[in-house]
Amino acid sequence: AQKVTQAQTEISVVEKEDVTLDCVYETRDTTYYLFWYKQPPSGELVFLIRRNSFDEQNEISGRYSWNFQKSTSSFNFTITASQVVDSAVYFCALREGLPGNQFYFGTGTSLTVIP
Amino acid sequence: GAGVSQSPRYKVAKRGQDVALRCDPISGHVSLFWYQQALGQGPEFLTYFQNEAQLDKSGLPSDRFFAERPEGSVSTLKIQRTQQEDSAVYLCASSRTQDSTDTQYFGPGTRLTVL
Repeated sequence: AQKVTQAQTEISVVEKEDVTLDCVYETRDTTYYLFWYKQPPSGELVFLIRRNSFDEQNEISGRYSWNFQKSTSSFNFTITASQVVDSAVYFCALREGLPGNQFYFGTGTSLTVIP
Repeated sequence: GAGVSQSPRYKVAKRGQDVALRCDPISGHVSLFWYQQALGQGPEFLTYFQNEAQLDKSGLPSDRFFAERPEGSVSTLKIQRTQQEDSAVYLCASSRTQDSTDTQYFGPGTRLTVL
């Protein structure tokens, strides 16, 4: 079973529009960590945010914001006033609190911002 | 910069050849991870090192895959008798400690194409 689901395969928006990328996760752990990474065309995964399961406060960083809701097992990512440079593939990832060391990545959402 | 580096960035191999992929983690980082990313997919865990010890190799797809980190810094992922299904981007990541909460920082990847 997929532990992290990103149902949106591809999204296109016009520059300056807001866009939300969805992420739904599945775990039986009470302690876990959620991440978002950006993968631009260069291929390198760029860390955006980490959130632990005990902290449900939403977070805003500039044009980026994250909405963590344990009740729906979701960790959605919103980009406000999108820019062309935001075009990339975005991955949501889960790391469980067990002594395993894996990140479980979703299949990614490819975002294209049209100028 | 002092990020994770990988070499070569691109590798083309004929089926049956052996390949070796190198990862230079961030200096001083204890943990090192290898991932395989197929086209259009999220990264999938291959193996994990804590210093020179390979603590988890559950993601290695076959015994043709071998990884080492003999001095606890540079790591090499070796694939013997390459097959076409091995074609993928191989990502290396490192994190500062052995703590599973630590953020992983990724290198640019090596794109392996097996003909």
